[in-house]
Amino acid sequence: ETGVTQSPTHLIKTRGQQVTLRCSSQSGHNTVSWYQQALGQGPQFIFQYYREEENGRGNFPPRFSGLQFPNYSSELNVNALELDDSALYLCASSTPGGLNQETQYFGPGTRLLVL
Amino acid sequence: GQQLNQSPQSMFIQEGEDVSMNCTSSSIFNTWLWYKQDPGEGPVLLIALYKAGELTSNGRLTAQFGITRKDSFLNISASIPSDVGIYFCAGFNDYKLSFGAGTTVTVRA
Repeated sequence: ETGVTQSPTHLIKTRGQQVTLRCSSQSGHNTVSWYQQALGQGPQFIFQYYREEENGRGNFPPRFSGLQFPNYSSELNVNALELDDSALYLCASSTPGGLNQETQYFGPGTRLLVL
Repeated sequence: GQQLNQSPQSMFIQEGEDVSMNCTSSSIFNTWLWYKQDPGEGPVLLIALYKAGELTSNGRLTAQFGITRKDSFLNISASIPSDVGIYFCAGFNDYKLSFGAGTTVTVRA
């Protein structure tokens, strides 16, 4: 148990719809990162939030957006859903370490299916 | 993006055997992490490595951070059935983790 929780566990949407996924970070962690994991692949970095600001972004279009709240919980929003957005969405919490070192702890994920 | 090459892609091992997998990269990382993921679950952290040359153990697991900072390996000793799963290496730089494609381990009882 990492203490990182995500909701919902599963979700089915249709193409063109919008979705919001939620994450609560581990106690004491102020940073949340989001990853997309397609079937049979490793997770791909979407973006990171630190102190309510986007701290870095991977190669994902602007229709992927996020928020971080004062209690460090976070949301991932995806607009205009496409079939290829079907994946396991993972949230990871951490506290930035010195010397560019950081250990991220993952939640159980939200399985999104776009029909 | 940064590419991590993880090998082997899959392995079948006999219960009680030792197993080794490794990860190489063209980029330098300051942190190497090894995770295990069961179907439908999130990755669970096994070992974290922070210094080049570091060798760290966690029970039957041992991992090393390569001297060049571009590689790492994970050893599992005396495999048991619950070692089944997908193992991922990940390197950390610039606020993000870059993952390998995973090694799928199946244990024959």
